[in-house]
Amino acid sequence: EPEVTQTPSHQVTQMGQEVILRCVPISNHLYFYWYRQILGQKVEFLVSFYNNEISEKSEIFDDQFSVERPDGSNFTLKIRSTKLEDSAMYFCATIEYLGQDSYEQYFGPGTRLTVT
Amino acid sequence: QQQVKQSPQSLIVQKGGISIINCAYENTAFDYFPWYQQFPGKGPALLIAIRPDVSEKKEGRFTISFNKSAKQFSLHIMDSQPGDSATYFCAASAGNTGKLIFGQGTTLQVKP
Repeated sequence: EPEVTQTPSHQVTQMGQEVILRCVPISNHLYFYWYRQILGQKVEFLVSFYNNEISEKSEIFDDQFSVERPDGSNFTLKIRSTKLEDSAMYFCATIEYLGQDSYEQYFGPGTRLTVT
Repeated sequence: QQQVKQSPQSLIVQKGGISIINCAYENTAFDYFPWYQQFPGKGPALLIAIRPDVSEKKEGRFTISFNKSAKQFSLHIMDSQPGDSATYFCAASAGNTGKLIFGQGTTLQVKP
């Protein structure tokens, strides 16, 4: 079964450093998403991406964050200057449309980001 | 208005029992209501989903009940098994955007 993969599984970084989280979406899926989950809390939408553009972003997704699809396969989330409160699990997701009103969103296993 | 409220926060059920998790929403533009199951160290996985044009959807031991007028929906797990022990999230989305608004999650423990 095709799956979304993410690397690294765990990233430790110092406050103020830049990090890049990588995702390989399921082949032929065209809509990509990043979510985050602070430990013990709910999953929160960060950004959606389609046709090499941001479709929508949340208030969490400020100027410190950026996304891109650098080579047509990988989908990356960059945090320019990490803060302690960026420590969370970051999930990449893609969508498969199953019909007119039906879709399934597939989540990757996540990258745990720890900012010290 | 974008919130989805989920309860209970945790649930303990005996093997063979029924697990019931409830969610409520305010935004009437929501038109897609999935439930996700998450095991420790894994990403959320789609369990079952419903659109507001039906009041109930059943897939195996999992059933979603949907009450449009009350803006509530619930997940029922029949014949709960220890392997069902996980965190369950309800979510909602509007307009096929794929942007999911998640509830707070319910940690389910099924005792043997």
